[in-house]
Amino acid sequence: AQRVTQPEKLLSVFKGAPVELKCNYSYSGSPELFWYVQYSRQRLQLLLRHISRESIKGFTADLNKGETSFHLKKPFAQEEDSAMYYCALLSGGYNKLIFGAGTRLAVHP
Amino acid sequence: KAGVTQTPRYLIKTRGQQVTLSCSPISGHRSVSWYQQTPGQGLQFLFEYFSETQRNKGNFPGRFSGRQFSNSRSEMNVSTLELGDSALYLCATRWNARDTEAFFGQGTRLTVV
Repeated sequence: AQRVTQPEKLLSVFKGAPVELKCNYSYSGSPELFWYVQYSRQRLQLLLRHISRESIKGFTADLNKGETSFHLKKPFAQEEDSAMYYCALLSGGYNKLIFGAGTRLAVHP
Repeated sequence: KAGVTQTPRYLIKTRGQQVTLSCSPISGHRSVSWYQQTPGQGLQFLFEYFSETQRNKGNFPGRFSGRQFSNSRSEMNVSTLELGDSALYLCATRWNARDTEAFFGQGTRLTVV
């Protein structure tokens, strides 16, 4: 079964601390994975995707096929990073996104 | 350019009624997907349309249906509403069938009473 698991509902850190939001997936085949973010009162938006191998707003995510993980990391959290983060898996060839339950990141001053 | 526009933003309906939600994609985007977001089930895929054809459908009952017009605008319809249909309904649009970056609308909040 195709599944995305985000084990933490809430991650609470202080400003300047490192952040790691966990994401594990179950997929037979070569996965395409994404991180979406939703800031307060804003729409869901793409943060980054694994095929781009880019860093956005200081966040990076590496696909680990052996551990079936796609954890999102940032070395120094900022208060403006506080948001809901969703890991998503592209299923098949028809643009169906399978989302994890989401992790709320709260960065305290 | 304008983003994805969903109308209405809020709706209150009674059990048994039907409802139609609308999604206007970003200009030039031809793929429209719909998702249901609830606290219990999270974000779940409903269906995707491309060039007026439904290409994929999620695990929802037949009461949920949709369509896409020649200008790429899409509507989804829910008939015989149930209390459990209360949710935020999001649409996401893409440039073409293979583009993987999805742009989301702000959603329609449906409350069934």
